[in-house]
Amino acid sequence: DAKTTQPTSMDCAEGRAANLPCNHSTISGNEYVYWYRQIHSQGPQYIIHGLKNNETNEMASLIITEDRKSSTLILPHATLRDTAVYYCILMKTSYDKVIFGPGTSLSVIP
Amino acid sequence: DGGITQSPKYLFRKEGQNVTLSCEQNLNHDAMYWYRQDPGQGLRLIYYSQIVNDFQKGDIAEGYSVSREKKESFPLTVTSAQKNPTAFYLCASSMFFEGYQPQHFGDGTRLSIL
Repeated sequence: DAKTTQPTSMDCAEGRAANLPCNHSTISGNEYVYWYRQIHSQGPQYIIHGLKNNETNEMASLIITEDRKSSTLILPHATLRDTAVYYCILMKTSYDKVIFGPGTSLSVIP
Repeated sequence: DGGITQSPKYLFRKEGQNVTLSCEQNLNHDAMYWYRQDPGQGLRLIYYSQIVNDFQKGDIAEGYSVSREKKESFPLTVTSAQKNPTAFYLCASSMFFEGYQPQHFGDGTRLSIL
């Protein structure tokens, strides 16, 4: 079973920030939080990861709560191309087997 | 360009037939993985390999087989023992060392039963 829980679906207006939450209350101290997304009929694409500090890259920002039991992925200015399923997963190392749950289906609306 | 190539994109299997899905990577990654995805669901791990000539079963290995004779290649065979093979199959790879490196995915093979 997936160790994270996410809402099944969300909508976001084009140009607005999309905030995708993830709960991981049983996270262990050496587990990273990773985010991937999957556009229909393609392979998942890596977005961002973090351990305990907030992180930002050219695609998104990741906010991790101080107790590390939840996190939020932020797409600052959502576009139609950001419509996808977003997965929040936990991993200790790069060669951990990845457990993907059903994720959050994000629809960006014009 | 570096990446992971899966072929074919679409594959059809007859009853009782074995089929092999190809996965090739030129990223010089040590580890490779096979996942299965059913409609509306997440990914489930079938097999993974951390080094050449070695591989381990994932959560749903029954009815599947793999080989890892070369670092670049990790083919998956769906055998006739797999009674419900219709799914989207994804191959991934990653570096093999402590610390984080993301898994890179191919664009998948969609397998259907005739």
